[in-house]
Amino acid sequence: QVQLQESGPGLVKPSETLSLTCTVSGGSISSYYWSWIRQPAGKGLEWIGRIYTSGSTNYNPSLKSRVTMSVDTSKNQFSLKLSSVTAADTAVYYCAREAGPFKWADYWGQGTLVTVSS
Amino acid sequence: DIQMTQSPSSLSASVGDRVTITCRASQSISSYLNWYQQKPGKAPKLLIYAASSLQSGVPSRFSGSGSGTDFTLTISSLQPEDFATYYCQQSYSTPSITFGQGTRLEIK
Repeated sequence: QVQLQESGPGLVKPSETLSLTCTVSGGSISSYYWSWIRQPAGKGLEWIGRIYTSGSTNYNPSLKSRVTMSVDTSKNQFSLKLSSVTAADTAVYYCAREAGPFKWADYWGQGTLVTVSS
Repeated sequence: DIQMTQSPSSLSASVGDRVTITCRASQSISSYLNWYQQKPGKAPKLLIYAASSLQSGVPSRFSGSGSGTDFTLTISSLQPEDFATYYCQQSYSTPSITFGQGTRLEIK
């Protein structure tokens, strides 16, 4: 059974960089797409972007200028960096595996709350 | 961006009811439509992928249909554990993947 676990600071100061890592267990990270999705409290889901194990990426155009994703196949981990954060970036951040030709998210982490505040 | 509009935004129903949630895309997305269920404080769970394929382990009372711009999620006989928020997602327009605003299903 594939499991994903997000980790990283729960509090980030405005204008700084949010950094999260997702560790995949119970299966190989290879040959899949891996994504980040966020959800502000009481609101809907926003897709941030995805990375393939080759390192190729797709980013949401609304966040593209601030997002960087990377993958470390030796550690079965992938990461998200979001720069110049503001209070609007406060949300629960989920990592997920995307599968199939239509790239549905079939496995999700439990989510981690990141608050942007001084 | 492709806009995904779900209706209704909220719905009250009773155990045993048949419930249908609709998702409309602002342009054709073929069958690139997925449905998720989310319970409070939990991650979303995949129910239906590619518009009509049931994810492994999901009860058969859940079904999906549609193609192009109009899609439906149907729960044939509501169970107590089905009360949750449901989201549709289009995965057609990379990199602008978008979700519907959600449908909150409450107990009547």
